[in-house]
Amino acid sequence: DAGITQSPRHKVTETGTPVTLRCHQTENHRYMYWYRQDPGHGLRLIHYSYGVKDTDKGEVSDGYSVSRSKTEDFLLTLESATSSQTSVYFCAISESTGGDQPQHFGDGTRLSIL
Amino acid sequence: QKEVEQNSGPLSVPEGAIASLNCTYSDRGSQSFFWYRQYSGKSPELIMSIYSNGDKEDGRFTAQLNKASQYVSLLIRDSQPSDSATYLCAVYNAGNNRKLIWGLGTSLAVNP
Repeated sequence: DAGITQSPRHKVTETGTPVTLRCHQTENHRYMYWYRQDPGHGLRLIHYSYGVKDTDKGEVSDGYSVSRSKTEDFLLTLESATSSQTSVYFCAISESTGGDQPQHFGDGTRLSIL
Repeated sequence: QKEVEQNSGPLSVPEGAIASLNCTYSDRGSQSFFWYRQYSGKSPELIMSIYSNGDKEDGRFTAQLNKASQYVSLLIRDSQPSDSATYLCAVYNAGNNRKLIWGLGTSLAVNP
């Protein structure tokens, strides 16, 4: 199994509070991704990174920011959490952008915003 | 809008039967195709990758790709109750900002 650890695994917080989710990998892969998964919407890309300090937006990036200061860590921050951001968040990694190397997923973080 | 379509199911098959899962995609230039399995409450797990037309077999799983017709399928032979899960199809096109396009998944139930 790919060495991907997400923390925390579960979190309940209140509207308006900042939240940071962490993804840590031991595979030394260049590419890292943050997705959210919601019923009826499937997996949606929030942000991704193609190297240290190199990040770009996905299809649902509003309200989220990311940082990658080390190859192994990719942080997702909700600056001011809203109830619409209640979701399951998955981190994924790949050696390349997916052309010949698939993405591998962490175990996910279940986030509830009350 | 580039799309990947899957029948949401549920697809119900008896134990020991062949389960056939289908995925169609809209971008003719797509190059790589992936099948993931996701158990309820768990993360997606890669089960098959396919890059060229034809069949690719791995144990009880066979992926079939037909680029002319723009579909990719997954066959599961000798289906087991442990195969009950949601199966996600993902498609890659280098021209699409190098991102995977995901289907919503097909729910499979294998009945003992």
